[in-house]
Amino acid sequence: DSGVTQTPKHLITATGQRVTLRCSPRSGDLSVYWYQQSLDQGLQFLIQYYNGEERAKGNILERFSAQQFPDLHSELNLSSLELGDSALYFCASSVVSQLNTEAFFGQGTRLTVV
Amino acid sequence: AQTVTQSQPEMSVQEAETVTLSCTYDTSENNYYLFWYKQPPSRQMILVIRQEAYKQQNATENRFSVNFQKAAKSFSLKISDSQLGDTAMYFCALTTGNQFYFGTGTSLTVIP
Repeated sequence: DSGVTQTPKHLITATGQRVTLRCSPRSGDLSVYWYQQSLDQGLQFLIQYYNGEERAKGNILERFSAQQFPDLHSELNLSSLELGDSALYFCASSVVSQLNTEAFFGQGTRLTVV
Repeated sequence: AQTVTQSQPEMSVQEAETVTLSCTYDTSENNYYLFWYKQPPSRQMILVIRQEAYKQQNATENRFSVNFQKAAKSFSLKISDSQLGDTAMYFCALTTGNQFYFGTGTSLTVIP
């Protein structure tokens, strides 16, 4: 158990809909990262939050948004969903500013858009 | 900008044999860490081994070891005495302390 909790584990929704994925980081970790992993693909970095503020942005679509709340949990909002958004979405947390830390991953949310 | 390249999309190895997975990276930073993550069929990302860039000694973790060539920016993973449970996708990753950069992964199959 990495200590990072993602909910829900599975999500099936229709095209055009909006969903929210939730992530609770490890206790003490201030940084949260969101990654998208499509079928047989590598991890695509979406966005990073540190202590409530956006820290870095990757290839995140405009239809996607995220935020980190005062209790440090984070939510990734995906709207106007398309079939191509079907993927495994990972959340990871770390203690940024400590170079020797690893990223701890949640178990992912598998999103299926039908 | 940081990049991580894994040039072997797929590899296979006989059980009990040794296999080496390749990774090259590019960064202009002097201080960074390198990691190998394993993603088995369960899709959970599991840390296999980490290497500090300022340390010349190669990291080892039981059957897993790395060959870290800083000048060549190369960071390969050697798995000795391969086991069926090693079948997984392996990702090489780099962090400069701000965020993590991942390669595209190598799918390793251990053949009984």
